[in-house]
Amino acid sequence: QVQLEQSGAEVKRPGASVKVSCKVPGHSLSTVSMHWVRQVPGKGLEWMGLHNPRHGERYYAQKFLGRLTMSEDTSTSTTYMELRNLRFDDTAVYYCATRYCSSGSCPISYYSAMDAWGKGATVTVSS
Amino acid sequence: SYVLSQSPSVSVAPGQTAMITCRGDNIGSRSVHWYQQRPGQAPMLVVYEDTNRPSGIPERFSGSNSANTASLTITRVTAGDEADYYCQVWDSSGDSSVVFGGGTKLTV
Repeated sequence: QVQLEQSGAEVKRPGASVKVSCKVPGHSLSTVSMHWVRQVPGKGLEWMGLHNPRHGERYYAQKFLGRLTMSEDTSTSTTYMELRNLRFDDTAVYYCATRYCSSGSCPISYYSAMDAWGKGATVTVSS
Repeated sequence: SYVLSQSPSVSVAPGQTAMITCRGDNIGSRSVHWYQQRPGQAPMLVVYEDTNRPSGIPERFSGSNSANTASLTITRVTAGDEADYYCQVWDSSGDSSVVFGGGTKLTV
């Protein structure tokens, strides 16, 4: 099972952008597909998107189309989630999550079960 | 889009059995995963692909899935099991996406 290291808390103004990182130490990004899930305080889990760096596939929740970008830096085994045009209701804890595939050739549906999670990055949108 | 429905809360006495349900249209044809989330912590996978337990998850946790209902059953419940539980599927119809249920608060 992989470990995921997320960046720290952020405070942003409305209209700004935030970029959260998720590092997969000791593993190539070709062996993971990274989900981004957020949780507004007191609410449930909300899926934002899935990024498969090996195949260049990206799946976005309809709600975040146009505002969300998922990217990677293979040299540091780090994936990123950037959310633009922040609103007050984007205040949440943002998690990265994945399932390790040793061969790197697992179908995208394999990654739907998330058995490794980052600790979460709190993003506060405040004026 | 696909919708998963969970009861908001379930209460059970210590030592008893808790059953948490997740309803969706023909959910039995999909693989269902379950997560436990304790306060202030990240979610943790407790059952995947309907019935499988990840390494380290006690046998007290089990899952089933048929027709329009998937279930997570926890036997011999302890105070440590008190948490929010979420079901989840991969919806490959239309734009592929992950769908979470709204979550069930288990009170022991």
